[in-house]
Amino acid sequence: DAGVTQSPTHLIKTRGQHVTLRCSPISGHKSVSWYQQVLGQGPQFIFQYYEKEERGRGNFPDRFSARQFPNYSSELNVNALLLGDSALYLCASSPGDGGENQPQHFGDGTRLSIL
Amino acid sequence: KNQVEQSPQSLIILEGKNCTLQCNYTVSPFSNLRWYKQDTGRGPVSLTIMTFSENTKSNGRYTATLDADTKQSSLHITASQLSDSASYICVVSGGSWGKFQFGAGTQVVVTP
Repeated sequence: DAGVTQSPTHLIKTRGQHVTLRCSPISGHKSVSWYQQVLGQGPQFIFQYYEKEERGRGNFPDRFSARQFPNYSSELNVNALLLGDSALYLCASSPGDGGENQPQHFGDGTRLSIL
Repeated sequence: KNQVEQSPQSLIILEGKNCTLQCNYTVSPFSNLRWYKQDTGRGPVSLTIMTFSENTKSNGRYTATLDADTKQSSLHITASQLSDSASYICVVSGGSWGKFQFGAGTQVVVTP
């Protein structure tokens, strides 16, 4: 079975632009979480979705938004890109409701570079 | 201040040797603690998950310990291999639904 897939793998944007990152969870997983990982640091929680509803939000500005589709795939959108948004964006899927005791399976991320 | 602190920040070990990584946390309430291995340019891969009542868990050459009273965990790598070169991340969950607190990771380099 396929793992968590993310697209694109790499992306280069300029300041002020908008970006959309995509994630397909493991088949049967209904919960998707998004993380930002700046070089040399651990991932920071951005959003979690379960059954198309937002269940958790990290400490990120409103420029960051996400949604989950009926097939449980998800998009992360970032508006008005800043240089500080350069990072590896990770998606993780979980079985069940994705609660704190559920395992998380990560994709290999989208490397976003802002020029 | 990060609620999950890992040490050392990085270490270099010879192939075949053992090493131990440390994780201290202040996250409360506590639900579980996880160790992940992250190869360069890849997503984290789960090694172990421990709940409050578990004090040790193994996955092949990886053994994690947990002391919930002192809020400390360690990850021991036995007979290291070149493929063990990676960042090892400690993650603690608890409190808010679905939120996980990640440490900054320990970068391990195994040399021949």
